[in-house]
Amino acid sequence: QQQVKQSPQSLIVQKGGISIINCAYENTAFDYFPWYQQFPGKGPALLIAIRPDVSEKKEGRFTISFNKSAKQFSLHIMDSQPGDSATYFCAASKETSGSRLTFGEGTQLTVNP
Amino acid sequence: DAGITQSPRHKVTETGTPVTLRCHQTENHRYMYWYRQDPGHGLRLIHYSYGVKDTDKGEVSDGYSVSRSKTEDFLLTLESATSSQTSVYFCAISDPRAGWGEQYFGPGTRLTVT
Repeated sequence: QQQVKQSPQSLIVQKGGISIINCAYENTAFDYFPWYQQFPGKGPALLIAIRPDVSEKKEGRFTISFNKSAKQFSLHIMDSQPGDSATYFCAASKETSGSRLTFGEGTQLTVNP
Repeated sequence: DAGITQSPRHKVTETGTPVTLRCHQTENHRYMYWYRQDPGHGLRLIHYSYGVKDTDKGEVSDGYSVSRSKTEDFLLTLESATSSQTSVYFCAISDPRAGWGEQYFGPGTRLTVT
């Protein structure tokens, strides 16, 4: 049972464009939503995270938009760069469960120069 | 990789043999986790530990066992490896007392069961 659904599976964007990755969750008890970035041969690295008390969080070129009523959240990468080419995972957890993360399936992003 | 090492980094083993993967941390974080990563499934939690000798099952725990005798070490054992356990295994750590309890991942172990 996949509790966090991520789309698209793959995404190709031109340099300077906006990359958008979407996630939808089912469990309304989730209250922590991180995004991870993973390069080939490396472990996932925490990129940015949000709690449901805000609708948007921005860190540099990366923004999370959160829609609690729709149970959806998305990652926007502004001015995408070839160095952003990686696999991105959304995740969710219930704070009270020791941060046991449920991950989406992943999106492979390619930014063409 | 946030003071986390995994060993071995690569292993090829035969079906039916026991395999133990090791995760070592230098951050003194209370929580440790084992995930497996497979194409199309993201990362799935196998087992986790919330303290020395305190462990619990994740969503894909069948065929795996864990042990944690020291804060810094978390071992994952496949008692009798099967081809379906071919995967990349990641260890992660977190400390719920710090910030939002963010999880930090190790470099991974690629396991192939032939």
